[in-house]
Amino acid sequence: GNSVTQMEGPVTLSEEAFLTINCTYTATGYPSLFWYVQYPGEGLQLLLKATKADDKGSNKGFEATYRKETTSFHLEKGSVQVSDSAVYFCALETSGSRLTFGEGTQLTVNP
Amino acid sequence: EAGVVQSPRYKIIEKKQPVAFWCNPISGHNTLYWYRQNLGQGPELLIRYENEEAVDDSQLPKDRFSAERLKGVDSTLKIQPAELGDSAVYLCASSLGGQGAIHEQYFGPGTRLTVT
Repeated sequence: GNSVTQMEGPVTLSEEAFLTINCTYTATGYPSLFWYVQYPGEGLQLLLKATKADDKGSNKGFEATYRKETTSFHLEKGSVQVSDSAVYFCALETSGSRLTFGEGTQLTVNP
Repeated sequence: EAGVVQSPRYKIIEKKQPVAFWCNPISGHNTLYWYRQNLGQGPELLIRYENEEAVDDSQLPKDRFSAERLKGVDSTLKIQPAELGDSAVYLCASSLGGQGAIHEQYFGPGTRLTVT
């Protein structure tokens, strides 16, 4: 079956620090990979996605590259802001299957 | 364009009581999903509709949970009777749909259920 493993949290950084949140996956077939973000009191929002190997998804300064050889989709940002404080979920979906989420990583950015 | 609308946003009930959640998807989205998100975890799919047909309800606890999507638009998720372990956030999502294709899912703000 499909599964997603995220690095254990929570993560606390100072403003302008570099961010990496690790995500690895197990899937049958060829998954599409996603990062969702959940701000306090809000629903999940799609942050970025990649649909095939070596694709790089990017949005709002965040990036993640689909690495088939290491089955990974790590989220990175060069300089985080206080407003980036949220819970980040890595997820995958294969055709005909359901969207499978990791457990989420709480990010807190301090000024 | 309006997003996915859910109500109520918060609900507190005593165990053994019934509860219902309502979802209005984005206009034109044929696929509707209900997820449950336990504290500190990622969402887990309960049921997926393609128009008015439930095409994936394998994770729905059918002894106490039921759902409907009449006319293929709005949907209601019901729990009867509620148990303490049902405390969670219930999320509704919608997408353009079409089996065999992967479409971006748009999530509502969720209903936070507390069972006491």
